[in-house]
Amino acid sequence: QQQVKQSPQSLIVQKGGISIINCAYENTAFDYFPWYQQFPGKGPALLIAIRPDVSEKKEGRFTISFNKSAKQFSLHIMDSQPGDSATYFCAAKGGNKLVFGAGTILRVKS
Amino acid sequence: NAGVTQTPKFQVLKTGQSMTLQCAQDMNHNSMYWYRQDPGMGLRLIYYSASEGTTDKGEVPNGYNVSRLNKREFSLRLESAAPSQTSVYFCASRVYGEDYGYTFGSGTRLTVV
Repeated sequence: QQQVKQSPQSLIVQKGGISIINCAYENTAFDYFPWYQQFPGKGPALLIAIRPDVSEKKEGRFTISFNKSAKQFSLHIMDSQPGDSATYFCAAKGGNKLVFGAGTILRVKS
Repeated sequence: NAGVTQTPKFQVLKTGQSMTLQCAQDMNHNSMYWYRQDPGMGLRLIYYSASEGTTDKGEVPNGYNVSRLNKREFSLRLESAAPSQTSVYFCASRVYGEDYGYTFGSGTRLTVV
């Protein structure tokens, strides 16, 4: 049973478009919500993160939107570029452990 | 370069063989983790060590054992490999009590035939 549900599984976006990936969770004890980016053959790398007392966080072209009441959060990539093509994972931290979503394979077409 | 180093990068085992995956970090992090990554399932926690001298089971610990050798090193052992353990294994570390930045290694791709 996946504690963090991520959608879509894959996504194709035109260069310059907006990429949107969504995640939902059930455990209200989660207190930290990061997004990771993974390129082929590499380990995941932290992209951006948010705490549940904040509704939005923006870093450059990347924005997390967080809806505590709905227990949902999403990643928006503005002006998507071919170099953004990667697998994206949402995650949620409870205690000492980080739980991951299933991942979204993003392809940005030039 | 500072970071998390995993060895080996690739390994093929026969069913029933044993092996140890090695992980070392040089960032003075307290906590270390072992995850496995399978298509469509994200990363699932196998075992973790919140601090030197402690280890705990994660989501999928069956068939694995771990050793926190010292603050730097955290190894994962497969005693009798099974095809279901074919996966990419990632080690990660972080400073205990701080949320920012789990640092991941580059992974070990294991195939059990």
